[in-house]
Amino acid sequence: QVQLVESGGGVVQPGRSLRLSCAASGFSLTSRSVHWVRQAPGKVLEWVALFFFDGTSQYYADSVKGRFTVSRDTSGNTLFLQMNSLRADDTAVYFCARDQGDAFGHSFDLWGQGTPVTVSS
Amino acid sequence: DIQVTQSPSFLSASVGDRVTITCRASQNIMNYLNWYQQRPGKVPNLLIYSASGLQSGVSSRFSGSGSGTDFTLTISSLQPEDFATYYCQQAYRTPYTFGQGTRLEIK
Repeated sequence: QVQLVESGGGVVQPGRSLRLSCAASGFSLTSRSVHWVRQAPGKVLEWVALFFFDGTSQYYADSVKGRFTVSRDTSGNTLFLQMNSLRADDTAVYFCARDQGDAFGHSFDLWGQGTPVTVSS
Repeated sequence: DIQVTQSPSFLSASVGDRVTITCRASQNIMNYLNWYQQRPGKVPNLLIYSASGLQSGVSSRFSGSGSGTDFTLTISSLQPEDFATYYCQQAYRTPYTFGQGTRLEIK
C-alpha cells in the first residue's frame, strides 16, 4: 500500500527538541521529493521544508530556518524532521507530503495522517 | 517570498450551486498553482495541479483555470461532500506558500 506515516509528535517544553519521522511504503523516497507542512489548531496550512529526492538540497521556511533540519535514513525510506529550539508557535499538526514532480506542478499527491506537536511549559 | 491571496475567505452556497474561488499570486508563477480540499479533521486532498490539471480520481465537477498571477477554482454543481475548506498553493519557488483558505459552507 502506498502511504506515508508520520510519528514522533508529542508535548515538549519550549526550547527543547523533537524529531519527527515520515515512513514511506509502496514507493521509495529516493524517487520523490517530500515536504513537511504544518497546521496550527484552527489555522491554515503552512509549508515548512522540502527534501529533494536525490538528497542534494533542502529548503526551509524562514520561520524554521536554523532550527529545523530535514534528513533521510540510509535505506531511503524514512524522512526525519529534527526540530530544535522549539517555540509555542511551532505547535501544530505536522504532515509529510509527496511531491508529484515538475510535470505535475510540484503538487502534493500523497499526505500522511499527521503527527501533533504541542510546545508548552 | 511569493504571496498568494485567496478570496473569498468564506462562502455560503447551496447544493447544486456553481461556485468560484480565486487566488492571486504576488508575482508571475506561470501555472505552478495547485488546489487542495480539506474536510474538517482530515488530511488535505489534491484536486487540481498546474492550475488546470484534474488530479486522478477527483470528480470532474472541479476545474481550474488561470496562469501568471490570477487563478480560479470552480465547482460546477455543489454536492454535500464538497462543503470543506479549499486552499491554493504556489509551487513556483520555495517557500511553497498556501493561500489563507476558503471555507465553503452550506446555506
